Amino acid sequence: ETGVTQSPTHLIKTRGQQVTLRCSSQSGHNTVSWYQQALGQGPQFIFQYYREEENGRGNFPPRFSGLQFPNYSSELNVNALELDDSALYLCASSYLAGVKYNEQFFGPGTRLTVL
Amino acid sequence: DQQVKQNSPSLSVQEGRISILNCDYTNSMFDYFLWYKKYPAEGPTFLISISSIKDKNEDGRFTVFLNKSAKHLSLHIVPSQPGDSAVYFCAAMTTDSWGKLQFGAGTQVVVTP
Repeated sequence: ETGVTQSPTHLIKTRGQQVTLRCSSQSGHNTVSWYQQALGQGPQFIFQYYREEENGRGNFPPRFSGLQFPNYSSELNVNALELDDSALYLCASSYLAGVKYNEQFFGPGTRLTVL
Repeated sequence: DQQVKQNSPSLSVQEGRISILNCDYTNSMFDYFLWYKKYPAEGPTFLISISSIKDKNEDGRFTVFLNKSAKHLSLHIVPSQPGDSAVYFCAAMTTDSWGKLQFGAGTQVVVTP
């Protein structure tokens, strides 16, 4: 069973550019959540996808968007990058079935630096 | 608006002693709480959880206590081991916002020999 993987590991962009981050979910998982962790803070929920549909969103502007693919891999896209977007971006996958909460497994993250 | 707070950014404890990590929350709708552990260059890993219908949950060396009236939970690690040195995050959610976790800022634990 492979774990959650993310690519790239590190990324440097300039203000105003666009970025795409990728996440490969753990085998058998149908839900992926994305989090932003700024330096010295805890992860903040960006959004969640369940079976390719957005299933909830945190307090992030529309320039943060996502996709989940039929194989349950996922992308996080950020347009018009700002300096404050510099952070560690984490994805977490899990299996949603009914109302029972199942553990989320996190990837190692992508460190984004915006200059 | 920080709904989950960990007011101690760091904790140093001797090997073999008890580590106590604290977490406060403001949203009374939270009904499921989790602790995660994070090593550098790795994602957070799930440690232990507790439902709001309980006040204590144990798993080996780890025990989580929940005081709903005080909106406070704590994680006890007994005995502390060098491998426990990591950042610990408290997280909370409501069952109608399945899996959408609200995290605290974390506590860096250092276990010294």
